Amino acid sequence: EVQLVQSGAEVKKAGESLKISCKGSGYSFTYWIGWVRQMPGKGLEWMGIILPGDSDTRYSPSFQGQVTISVDKSISTAYLQWSSLKASDTAMYYCVRQDGSGTFYFDYWGQGTLVTVSS
Amino acid sequence: QTVVTQEPSFSVSPGGTVTLTCGLSSGSVSTSHYPSWYQQTPGQAPRTLIYSTNTRSSGVPDRFSGSILGNKAALTITGAQADDESDFYCALYMGSGIWVFGGGTRLTVL
Repeated sequence: EVQLVQSGAEVKKAGESLKISCKGSGYSFTYWIGWVRQMPGKGLEWMGIILPGDSDTRYSPSFQGQVTISVDKSISTAYLQWSSLKASDTAMYYCVRQDGSGTFYFDYWGQGTLVTVSS
Repeated sequence: QTVVTQEPSFSVSPGGTVTLTCGLSSGSVSTSHYPSWYQQTPGQAPRTLIYSTNTRSSGVPDRFSGSILGNKAALTITGAQADDESDFYCALYMGSGIWVFGGGTRLTVL
């Protein structure tokens, strides 16, 4: 069974750094893995995506330079990190797997990681 | 920057039919954008409904269907049920690994 299991909720202060994770299982960790933000009461925003094989990474212009997406393929885990959090980073973050059969869509979703940043 | 547009809200009667749309602020949506649709209920992660314009994801009832209508992608729900009340998001592939989600449509069934 394909699963994306994300790390637990985080409570941080503005200015702190943070790295959250998404571990894939039940499949070969060769598919693009993306991150999606959902601010409280708001819609989904695509942040970026990484290919575990060669760490090829693409970012939404809205998030370029604001976050870093990385991967450790040896442990089938993707990461989303901030070097200096802001209160506006408070949101639920989902990792997603992009289907690898040539049809572009997100076929599996993680359960979400809630990040709360206090000012 | 590309903006993907969706109706903020829609209402449908139980048993009725509703069509939600997904457009672009500039230009037309085509199959080359690989339109996909996701449903989210409160407190849950989204689930995949439709991909590649009109292919239902595994386990999705056939009352959900996708298409291109004019210059937009469309999600049609035929025979709406109470538990269809949720938020619906479309996503478009813009090429070069870049995706954009629409703002979402909140569907009320009453």
